[in-house]
Amino acid sequence: DTGVSQDPRHKITKRGQNVTFRCDPISEHNRLYWYRQTLGQGPEFLTYFQNEAQLEKSRLLSDRFSAERPKGSFSTLEIQRTEQGDSAMYLCASSRQAQGDGELFFGEGSRLTVL
Amino acid sequence: DAKTTQPPSMDCAEGRAANLPCNHSTISGNEYVYWYRQIHSQGPQYIIHGLKNNETNEMASLIITEDRKSSTLILPHATLRDTAVYYCIVRPIYNQGGKLIFGQGTELSVKP
Repeated sequence: DTGVSQDPRHKITKRGQNVTFRCDPISEHNRLYWYRQTLGQGPEFLTYFQNEAQLEKSRLLSDRFSAERPKGSFSTLEIQRTEQGDSAMYLCASSRQAQGDGELFFGEGSRLTVL
Repeated sequence: DAKTTQPPSMDCAEGRAANLPCNHSTISGNEYVYWYRQIHSQGPQYIIHGLKNNETNEMASLIITEDRKSSTLILPHATLRDTAVYYCIVRPIYNQGGKLIFGQGTELSVKP
């Protein structure tokens, strides 16, 4: 399978702990996106990378959140000092830089539950 | 913020056409209309997109009104596997980042 893969698929943690999610995009895609989705809502944009550069961050991305894409391939999203409000599905997507109509391919997400 | 309005839910009988409306009255001339869907517990999946003309692919048809203020996604023969949340998204042509801004979508239930 050469789609976008995310790991872990599920994570249960206690409030105050740190968690890290990994995303492996489709290999020839140079853009990578992180989204968050809570129950009953559409995905909310968090941040995106073009190659290794983080080019945009949403105001939703508080200082407890950090994302990296060190070699322009896989990416990690770390949440420090988790809070119950961080419970959500974290979705990763990738695309090939295009003329503006490039399709985003999404992974199946990492579901976080903070107790 | 999402620039589209969709009904929160719709039902469709299996085998019938599902017609999902979307209002995007503030769309500008350099913005596409995109449709994605999200089956339960999966990531969103691209369906189709268009600018001015109607479009068709193996999954669906997209009908855009002449004034471009609204569109309809048509699933010609809905199956149970088409049960999902359908998102209508307006996206700038010259969007350097390529990101998508999702609204709340329409939850389509296909019933036997």
